[in-house]
Amino acid sequence: GQNIDQPTEMTATEGAIVQINCTYQTSGFNGLFWYQQHAGEAPTFLSYNVLDGLEEKGRFSSFLSRSKGYSYLLLKELQMKDSASYLCAVRVESGRDDKIIFGKGTRLHILP
Amino acid sequence: GAVVSQHPSWVICKSGTSVKIECRSLDFQATTMFWYRQFPKQSLMLMATSNEGSKATYEQGVEKDKFLINHASLTLSTLTVTSAHPEDSSFYICSAWAGGLGYEQYFGPGTRLTVT
Repeated sequence: GQNIDQPTEMTATEGAIVQINCTYQTSGFNGLFWYQQHAGEAPTFLSYNVLDGLEEKGRFSSFLSRSKGYSYLLLKELQMKDSASYLCAVRVESGRDDKIIFGKGTRLHILP
Repeated sequence: GAVVSQHPSWVICKSGTSVKIECRSLDFQATTMFWYRQFPKQSLMLMATSNEGSKATYEQGVEKDKFLINHASLTLSTLTVTSAHPEDSSFYICSAWAGGLGYEQYFGPGTRLTVT
């Protein structure tokens, strides 16, 4: 089966750095996404990793190790608006079309 | 960027009735659309994958006779919740994929369904 694990909740301070980890056990792995989701809204795309290594995009970076089934999302210079759920999602091969399986999400609370 | 719309954005219906939710890709053709359900404080659960002109592929545990999906064109997919019950109350989100080498799926804004 497919399994994606990430912490349920995390708390960090405004201006600080936080790392959200994600581990996965899936078959037909074809890439890993990170999404941000505010309550009552649809997810918004943050990053996509398909090769090992670090992808940096402004204050957000995402890392992938395929051999370890591990990824993390790194958020720097935290702002209050970063308070949201962060969803790790894996793209898996599935017949005609790939599909995306989501982890349970990590609720990040930012303290002033 | 690509835009996906959903209609309605929220709906309240009585138990036993049916509700139809539309998902449209506004500025691109979506070869594949996905339907997700999200309960409060939980993550997105994939319900089904729909391709234009063919039957939807449902995830294990999702009743295909209860959640009817029709992908009538490359820009429109519909989800009909039949004989709705209070436990079907949830946030339903669609996403659309243009296919090819692209990897990003574009999410609609979601539909909040409340069954009384």
